Amino acid sequence: DVVMTQTPLSSPVTLGQPASISCRSSQSLVHSDGNTYLTWLQLRPGQPPRLLIYKISNRFSGVPDRFSGSGAGTDFTLKISRVEAEDVGVYYCVQLTHFPWTFGQGTKVEIK
Amino acid sequence: QVQLQESGPGLVKPTQTLSLTCIVSGGSISTNNYYWNWIRQPPGEGLEYIGYISHSGSTYYNPSLKSRVTISSDASKNQFSLSLRSVTAADTALYYCARAGNGALIIAAPDYWGQGTLVTVSS
Repeated sequence: DVVMTQTPLSSPVTLGQPASISCRSSQSLVHSDGNTYLTWLQLRPGQPPRLLIYKISNRFSGVPDRFSGSGAGTDFTLKISRVEAEDVGVYYCVQLTHFPWTFGQGTKVEIK
Repeated sequence: QVQLQESGPGLVKPTQTLSLTCIVSGGSISTNNYYWNWIRQPPGEGLEYIGYISHSGSTYYNPSLKSRVTISSDASKNQFSLSLRSVTAADTALYYCARAGNGALIIAAPDYWGQGTLVTVSS
């Protein structure tokens, strides 16, 4: 299975300041069709997982533009340009290129 | 708006079978290029992929669970189900169902999720 490694595991952030989460895969996530199926999910307490970013950098419907994704191959990053209170939660990267899907350990974003 | 809702017993005894259903509304499970997934999250742990059933009925199971898992669907009821046999305490988790588009779609990702249902394995 592809191992997904996220850093940091915890990210205390001041409101209005940026946050950045790194995700590294144990093998390339470039699919034979040329796409890279790297996704970012947000889990907030009491709510189902929410799709934020798909195929590295595409924001899902309704996701604020303060969220952005980047990267290629095996190294990917999720950035929140200015953290808001509603962004508190756990963020997971997940690769869909190779079955089974595998998830990072999760990064807890909290307000300082 | 597609909605998914898990249902099933919240408590299962060890060695028995865990059975959950995901009822889908706002979209058909028979729509081309979508597959219907089960994912779980043990308390205090990360997410684990269980498997899927496609719009055409083909299935995939995580090898770590393959010997105990069956995913099926009922198009007439627009729902799909998870069966996990011979459960132990290690199967205690929040179980989610989710829809995902395949590579033929622009949004090839799990875009809609159920709220999740907690299943505890205990005697």
